[in-house]
Amino acid sequence: DTGVSQNPRHKITKRGQNVTFRCDPISEHNRLYWYRQTLGQGPEFLTYFQNEAQLEKSRLLSDRFSAERPKGSFSTLEIQRTEQGDSAMYLCASSSGQYTGELFFGEGSRLTVL
Amino acid sequence: AQSVAQPEDQVNVAEGNPLTVKCTYSVSGNPYLFWYVQYPNRGLQFLLKYITGDNLVKGSYGFEAEFNKSQTSFHLKKPSALVSDSALYFCAVRDGTNAGKSTFGDGTTLTVKP
Repeated sequence: DTGVSQNPRHKITKRGQNVTFRCDPISEHNRLYWYRQTLGQGPEFLTYFQNEAQLEKSRLLSDRFSAERPKGSFSTLEIQRTEQGDSAMYLCASSSGQYTGELFFGEGSRLTVL
Repeated sequence: AQSVAQPEDQVNVAEGNPLTVKCTYSVSGNPYLFWYVQYPNRGLQFLLKYITGDNLVKGSYGFEAEFNKSQTSFHLKKPSALVSDSALYFCAVRDGTNAGKSTFGDGTTLTVKP
């Protein structure tokens, strides 16, 4: 069990650029979640997948954000035309298919938009 | 809709004293409740969960939590605090009837002084 892996760990970009984050979940986990965390706040739900199907997406999520999990394994989160307000820690988590399962988090990808 | 409130931003206790970190929740269906801990520069780690059954659940590192349905609370407790327990603690709720996303509180910083 190598845990949840996120890359890159830190991304600095200029406003208006596109960025992509990758998450590799624990191999036997079929659920994958993306959250966003800013200083002083708890993780805010963005979206989640069961296998390759995106089952829920936050209504707060701008259409500049898109996530994919093409083969039900790794996932990518893309932010287009970044804004300074997008600066945050982007967290990925995975869990087993059981509804009672806890989340296993990666260490996050920190985005800084200049 | 589901939500979590952690009414205390900060809790300070002396080493060896009991500690309590408070959490209240709101959810439409059956509550699945979780506590996570975040150490500096580390990802969130699962501590314990309540799904069903005994209202007192025990978890990692000597922590326990008590589910109180009438008060919609799930307070985290430990009989004797350690300096190494100092960290940021998050409570989370998931609706057991659809078991999708988990919603997190804004966290409580626990500081244990020697």
